[in-house]
Formats: sequence, structure tokens, C-alpha cells
Amino acid sequence: SAVISQKPSRDICQRGTSLTIQCQVDSQVTMMFWYRQQPGQSLTLIATANQGSEATYESGFVIDKFPISRPNLTFSTLTVSNMSPEDSSIYLCSVMTVLSGELFFGEGSRLTVL
Amino acid sequence: AQSVSQHNHHVILSEAASLELGCNYSYGGTVNLFWYVQYPGQHLQLLLKYFSGDPLVKGIKGFEAEFIKSKFSFNLRKPSVQWSDTAEYFCAVNGGNTGKLIFGQGTTLQVKP
Repeated sequence: SAVISQKPSRDICQRGTSLTIQCQVDSQVTMMFWYRQQPGQSLTLIATANQGSEATYESGFVIDKFPISRPNLTFSTLTVSNMSPEDSSIYLCSVMTVLSGELFFGEGSRLTVL
Repeated sequence: AQSVSQHNHHVILSEAASLELGCNYSYGGTVNLFWYVQYPGQHLQLLLKYFSGDPLVKGIKGFEAEFIKSKFSFNLRKPSVQWSDTAEYFCAVNGGNTGKLIFGQGTTLQVKP
């Protein structure tokens, strides 16, 4: 299994500001992903975090709004830029392990934008 | 494009009742299928998964699911639910082993004691 630590676990932010969420994994993983879970809704994939290169974004998500970094195999960050109340969500980091190919999720970062 | 549809949005059962949650997906190739559970205030946890082999898979806490390829379905079952099974259940598909999960809308299960 993989233990995923996300920081912050929750935050309240003002409109127009930016917040960076960190994801640290305790083992080497092949793939890292960022998901969003809006209130009362399911999970939507934002992007695949690629080590040492630009992330691959899903339809409807762009780098200017959600810049992502992945400097090494075990760490990634997601920034939510120029936030609005519509960005209030839980943001989850997910990883696929090398050995099992199984996907694991972090506990998520609950973001509230006022 | 891949998609996942969960038929039941909100299910209410009494303890000891049997459970079946429907899940259908659309994808023409090889798929990996998952059921995740999210207990109130907690993070997602994997209930069970199907990669290949026996289409009837058993997971944690007495849950099982059956992959029926001809019906593009992966329904979740439990013979006798408990109050502690109250949670949100998500079906997900990973087509082509890309690692990217597409989630269904989720089903809220409420078990009355």
C-alpha cells in the first residue's frame, strides 16, 4: 500500500488568492493524479502529474488555473489560482503504486473560498 | 469517451437487508473496475477491484461485485448490511490501464438500525 499525506487538510481562503496543496507519498509510485470533489458531487480528474514535465490536463481544466508540479517520484503540488467560491471543493491526490498497479487516495484537502 | 453510470443515487435500507448497487460503464476495450467507499468525514477507501480472471470479486467487509462483460456492468452486493455501512459508494473505471479513474455519480447508502 501507499501512505499519502496531503497538506493542508483544510483551509478557508479569500476570493482572488491562490493556494498550493502538497501531496507526499511514502513510496515510489508510477503515476500521480489530482482529483476534485465538489460539494455533493462525484470525483472529477483534474490532471495527471508528470515527473519533471508539464502535467496532462483533462478537458475543462487548464494550467493557468491549476498549475501542478512533480519534481520527483514521491511529491507533487497543485495550486488553485485566483480562487472564486466555485473552487470550493475537496482536492484529492491519488497515486498508482509500482508493485500492485493499485490506486490510492489521500485524505483530501477541503478548500472553502469566501 | 469513458463514462460510468450508477443507477441509484440514494438508497435507504434496514439492517440485515440485502444490498445491490448498480454500475454500468461505457468503454470498448479492456477495463479495470473499482468500487470505493467514503464513510462520513473520511477519505476514499477501496472496497474491491476487478482486473481480470474470476468475474466475481470479493472485497472487504463482506462486499462482492460481479463483472458482466456483456452488460458492461459491475454491480456491488452485500447479503446483509449493517448500520456501519452507511456511506457514499463510488463505482469507477480505468480504461486501457491508464491509471486515470472515471467515477460514477455516487450512491448514498443509509442503513437504519
